[in-house]
Amino acid sequence: NAGVTQTPKFQVLKTGQSMTLQCAQDMNHEYMSWYRQDPGMGLRLIHYSVGAGITDQGEVPNGYNVSRSTTEDFPLRLLSAAPSQTSVYFCASSSGTGNQPQHFGDGTRLSIL
Amino acid sequence: QKEVEQDPGPLSVPEGAIVSLNCTYSNSAFQYFMWYRQYSRKGPELLMYTYSSGNKEDGRFTAQVDKSSKYISLFIRDSQPSDSATYLCAMSANAGKSTFGDGTTLTVKP
Repeated sequence: NAGVTQTPKFQVLKTGQSMTLQCAQDMNHEYMSWYRQDPGMGLRLIHYSVGAGITDQGEVPNGYNVSRSTTEDFPLRLLSAAPSQTSVYFCASSSGTGNQPQHFGDGTRLSIL
Repeated sequence: QKEVEQDPGPLSVPEGAIVSLNCTYSNSAFQYFMWYRQYSRKGPELLMYTYSSGNKEDGRFTAQVDKSSKYISLFIRDSQPSDSATYLCAMSANAGKSTFGDGTTLTVKP
């Protein structure tokens, strides 16, 4: 019963490097989202998707790209990492039926040096 | 001003105490109200999910929503050391994206 799986769990990057954070869910959920969580703060929405092929920006989208080619996967790409992107990143999914709440993965801790 | 304001804490209580966690919001479009519990180095775990005003009870947890005052609360009865965590309120107008409070860290001392 995997739920939402995020990889890697930890990553250290140098400024300017690019990388992709992976997110996969096995619940056949239509909706998927990416959030970042900074110390002492709640979660802020980066990008979200309401289905394969459909994505939209959240509150803090700059510096991040997403795509949704399958229902199961929703990768988050950092194009040119900056120290301000040091954070914990959470992926979430929810069913599109009946406005169900989101289920979260355990996060990716990312440090940009 | 943030759309969702959460009492910041931290909160420290003795085992067995009743805990009250609170959030206010400004967006009248919010219809769905959630409380998540987050242990250190883990993802948020859904505790309570409510729609519209009223109370919802689940074991030792009671969620209360007052849409007229734009105020939500989570009550924990007979608190246990295992309840020590950060509690996040969240609200949404539709599925797929939520707006979160900053979290309240609770410590329950044996």
